[in-house]
Amino acid sequence: AQTVTQSQPEMSVQEAETVTLSCTYDTSENNYYLFWYKQPPSRQMILVIRQEAYKQQNATENRFSVNFQKAAKSFSLKISDSQLGDTAMYFCAFMKHDLVLDSGNTPLVFGKGTRLSVIA
Amino acid sequence: NAGVTQTPKFRVLKTGQSMTLLCAQDMNHEYMYWYRQDPGMGLRLIHYSVGEGTTAKGEVPDGYNVSRLKKQNFLLGLESAAPSQTSVYFCASSYRGGESPLHFGNGTRLTVT
Repeated sequence: AQTVTQSQPEMSVQEAETVTLSCTYDTSENNYYLFWYKQPPSRQMILVIRQEAYKQQNATENRFSVNFQKAAKSFSLKISDSQLGDTAMYFCAFMKHDLVLDSGNTPLVFGKGTRLSVIA
Repeated sequence: NAGVTQTPKFRVLKTGQSMTLLCAQDMNHEYMYWYRQDPGMGLRLIHYSVGEGTTAKGEVPDGYNVSRLKKQNFLLGLESAAPSQTSVYFCASSYRGGESPLHFGNGTRLTVT
């Protein structure tokens, strides 16, 4: 079974600064996907960034980038030029490449989240 | 374009009552999922479906049943609600598996007293 660990329950950062959220995972799979989701106080789940395990190049989306270390099973999220609107819970998630109809199989495994506060 | 719609948004039940949560998606997605979110626990998968007429158990299926009679709908049922089922429930859908991102509904806050 896959597990995802976010070791930082809470973090804070000054506006315009850079912050890195940590995520490690455990799997025996070779093909998989990793995600960061953001959940603001509105409760909506928003996809921030996605990484395919077979790609060595780190994914980037504007101010958001990841540091994907496949051998170390690490997938950290860097937020540059932090904005007040970045204040949210951030969830790291793992998904296997092939989904099969198999009771007990967990298609998408989430970490427990990191609560990020951006301070003015 | 509604995306993923969950009904209702809020609900309060007494212990032992039953209810059904409805999830509807208009994106022609094959895969649908039900998660529950509890403080400090992240999101945990209850049940999921890989197509019309299929369902499978996830990580925490006990006390819940699901049905996927139509491709666009995924129903989550609680036959006899318990206080431990107080949670926020999220439905999600995706076109396929990992290569397509999940689209989430806005959640249903359920309180069981």
